[in-house]
Amino acid sequence: GDSVTQMEGPVTLSEEAFLTINCTYTATGYPSLFWYVQYPGEGLQLLLKATKADDKGSNKGFEATYRKETTSFHLEKGSVQVSDSAVYFCALGGGGGSYIPTFGRGTSLIVHP
Amino acid sequence: GAGVSQSPRYKVAKRGQDVALRCDPISGHVSLFWYQQALGQGPEFLTYFQNEAQLDKSGLPSDRFFAERPEGSVSTLKIQRTQQEDSAVYLCASSPDRPDTQYFGPGTRLTVL
Repeated sequence: GDSVTQMEGPVTLSEEAFLTINCTYTATGYPSLFWYVQYPGEGLQLLLKATKADDKGSNKGFEATYRKETTSFHLEKGSVQVSDSAVYFCALGGGGGSYIPTFGRGTSLIVHP
Repeated sequence: GAGVSQSPRYKVAKRGQDVALRCDPISGHVSLFWYQQALGQGPEFLTYFQNEAQLDKSGLPSDRFFAERPEGSVSTLKIQRTQQEDSAVYLCASSPDRPDTQYFGPGTRLTVL
C-alpha cells in the first residue's frame, strides 16, 4: 500500500539556517504530494503541494519538488525563522484513484533565536 | 471566511462512556474526512463522506465508532463505550470537491480515563 517516510525529528536549527526535511514515498499511480504544517494547539494547514512529476510547490519561502525518479518530496527553506517552529507532515493522495490521503509521522522543527 | 470548526476542543470521558464529536466544515464543501491522530503520529484515516453519503469507513477501528453527516454539512463522530486506547486527537477536514487539498479543523483532544 501507499506509504510516506519522513526524517525523524526534532530538527533543531538556529534562526536563518537552511532547512531540509526529507520525505520519500511509495505509491501506486501518480498521487499528488503535500506538505502540511501544524503549529502548537492548532490543526494542520496546507503549506504547499505538487500534483505531477517535476512540479515545484512553494509558499512562505518553503519549497519542495516532486521527484518521481527518487520518489521524494523534500521540504526546503533557505532561512528559517523562530515562527517556523512547528510540526511538518508530508502526505500523498489523490492519485491512482485513491482518495484516502496517507500522512507521514511528522517532523518537529525547533528554531532558536 | 470561516474555517472548519470542531467541538468540543477537549473532552475527558470515563471508560465506558459514550462521546459525540462535532465537525462543522467550510460551507459548500462536498468532501469531509475524519482522522485519528495519536501523540507523535500523523493523522490516520477513519472515514470519508461525499455530501451525506459515507463512501468509506474502512479506517474505523471498531464497531464502537460510527459517523454521520445526515444533511451533507455538519458531521458527528460517535464513540460508544470508550476505552483508554481511544485517547487521541480527532481531526476533521473538508475539501471543496474531489478530496485533494484538505482544510483541517483544530481537532478534539479526547482523553479516556
